[in-house]
Amino acid sequence: KAGVTQTPRYLIKTRGQQVTLSCSPISGHRSVSWYQQTPGQGLQFLFEYFSETQRNKGNFPGRFSGRQFSNSRSEMNVSTLELGDSALYLCASSLDFRAGPTQYFGPGTRLTVL
Amino acid sequence: EDQVTQSPEALRLQEGESSSLNCSYTVSGLRGLFWYRQDPGKGPEFLFTLYSAGEEKEKERLKATLTKKESFLHITAPKPEDSATYLCAVHRGAQKLVFGQGTRLTINP
Repeated sequence: KAGVTQTPRYLIKTRGQQVTLSCSPISGHRSVSWYQQTPGQGLQFLFEYFSETQRNKGNFPGRFSGRQFSNSRSEMNVSTLELGDSALYLCASSLDFRAGPTQYFGPGTRLTVL
Repeated sequence: EDQVTQSPEALRLQEGESSSLNCSYTVSGLRGLFWYRQDPGKGPEFLFTLYSAGEEKEKERLKATLTKKESFLHITAPKPEDSATYLCAVHRGAQKLVFGQGTRLTINP
């Protein structure tokens, strides 16, 4: 079974730009979560989607948004990029987080903001 | 607020030297504790889920245990390929995991 895939793997943007990251979950998984990982803050929860609905959101500004499609694929968008948004963005999937919270992570997208 | 603290931050061992990593948590209504392994530049790799105090799980040289306040990841006779950052996370009921800062483990040959 293929694992979680994320595209692109690397991105370089400049301040003020916006970016869209994509995540394809493991086949059959309907819950997708997004996390931001930085050396200083570690892994921080961004949001969780299930059946195209956002069920939970972390403490991030409104510049961070996401969505999930009917095939469970998910995208997250960051608008008006800031230097502090440079991080590894990780997507994780599970069958249904409420029923079984074991999540499987993708390789991440490394975003660098210049 | 949920808190997860891992210690030590970094640990350097010789090959074959067994040790333990600690994950202490402050969570009311724990619904699961998770251990992940992360190699540089990669996403976390799932290792174990523990649900109740007294539970233990093993995988090769790793054994995870859980009490009401903390979890331990025991590494027996480690090899250089066990070098990685080990992350602990807790689930309380909201649709998210809360992660600790991780322990960076280095095994010298």
